[in-house]
Amino acid sequence: EAQVTQNPRYLITVTGKKLTVTCSQNMNHEYMSWYRQDPGLGLRQIYYSMNVEVTDKGDVPEGYKVSRKEKRNFPLILESPSPNQTSLYFCASSLYGLAGPTDTQYFGPGTRLTVL
Amino acid sequence: QQPVQSPQAVILREGEDAVINCSSSKALYSVHWYRQKHGEAPVFLMILLKGGEQKGHEKISASFNEKKQQSSLYLTASQLSYSGTYFCGTRRGNNRLAFGKGNQVVVIP
Repeated sequence: EAQVTQNPRYLITVTGKKLTVTCSQNMNHEYMSWYRQDPGLGLRQIYYSMNVEVTDKGDVPEGYKVSRKEKRNFPLILESPSPNQTSLYFCASSLYGLAGPTDTQYFGPGTRLTVL
Repeated sequence: QQPVQSPQAVILREGEDAVINCSSSKALYSVHWYRQKHGEAPVFLMILLKGGEQKGHEKISASFNEKKQQSSLYLTASQLSYSGTYFCGTRRGNNRLAFGKGNQVVVIP
């Protein structure tokens, strides 16, 4: 089944304890992206990647790191999490990017992160 | 910069029509529409490119007026399954996507 998977689905952690949220897709997509969703703010893009070893900042990259060593995986790293990073995080992927008429983004199920 | 979506919320009865809007102060290359049901991930509806095109998904259609930097989503003969939050995402020439805050749609029997 074609899908985007994220792990963990729920995470409660403490300020300053490094964490990684994994994202994997099995559709051979080149484009992958991370979003955070907060009540009343909608979805905001954190980072995106056009292909292996190619990553770029979205609108809210501060406090986050990403890497794209393999095409299928795009982990989100919080080196020193803070309470303002408490949010619902979504990973998404599309075949080539966002430019074409068929560039559908498929979203993962989401990771609910709480930083105490 | 986030596009502005209006109205914030719409309540309509099954079978009624509604229009929700997405506008930007910046020139747009494309507009992407997604629907999210409570507790679920956003699901793609359609992409509209420059050229003033219209598209449809079931009885949901959309238009994109690039001169006004505005897109409208038309919910026709609404069904209970149309309930959810609709997000527009705007692309301005790179591969970044800026989403609006969403339009909450509630369809009641």
